[in-house]
Amino acid sequence: GEDVEQSLFLSVREGDSSVINCTYTDSSSTYLYWYKQEPGAGLQLLTYIFSNMDMKQDQRLTVLLNKKDKHLSLRIADTQTGDSAIYFCAEDTGRRALTFGSGTRLQVQP
Amino acid sequence: GAVVSQHPSWVICKSGTSVKIECRSLDFQATTMFWYRQFPKQSLMLMATSNEGSKATYEQGVEKDKFLINHASLTLSTLTVTSAHPEDSSFYICSALSSGGSQETQYFGPGTRLLVL
Repeated sequence: GEDVEQSLFLSVREGDSSVINCTYTDSSSTYLYWYKQEPGAGLQLLTYIFSNMDMKQDQRLTVLLNKKDKHLSLRIADTQTGDSAIYFCAEDTGRRALTFGSGTRLQVQP
Repeated sequence: GAVVSQHPSWVICKSGTSVKIECRSLDFQATTMFWYRQFPKQSLMLMATSNEGSKATYEQGVEKDKFLINHASLTLSTLTVTSAHPEDSSFYICSALSSGGSQETQYFGPGTRLLVL
């Protein structure tokens, strides 16, 4: 079955880099996504990576994919207080609906 | 980017009443929409897949008679929580699948917070 795991909490200082990790078990995933959810709000798509890629960079965001280990990470450079939120990784295994991780709460301290 | 709206954004109701939540794709057509539920401090869990013009497909453990889904047009899916109970209180999020371009993309609505008293 599908199971996506994330660490629950990450605290960083403003200006530092944040790295949020995710592991998944379904090797048939085609796309992997990172979403941001602010308190009381819906999901905002941050970025995604196709399973045949191992890295994707988009401004302050860098996604690394290790398909052999089924490990996905999101690096946020120069983290700002506005980046404080819950970050979800999600995989598309071909069912078209997404399977979400448990979410990582990022706290950015000024 | 594509926009998906939900209405209402929040609702409080008495136990035993029914609540209808609408999900609309505003600038694209979606033959497939998804309904997710998120309990406090938990992840999103898929409840059902809504297909335009046909019956919804429910995930294991989700009661189809309690969570009625109607996808009557290419831009609207509705979720009706029938005879709501306090344990149905949750954040309900829909998404709509856009098939434009080379990749299917899911666009999420802002969510509907339901509180059943």
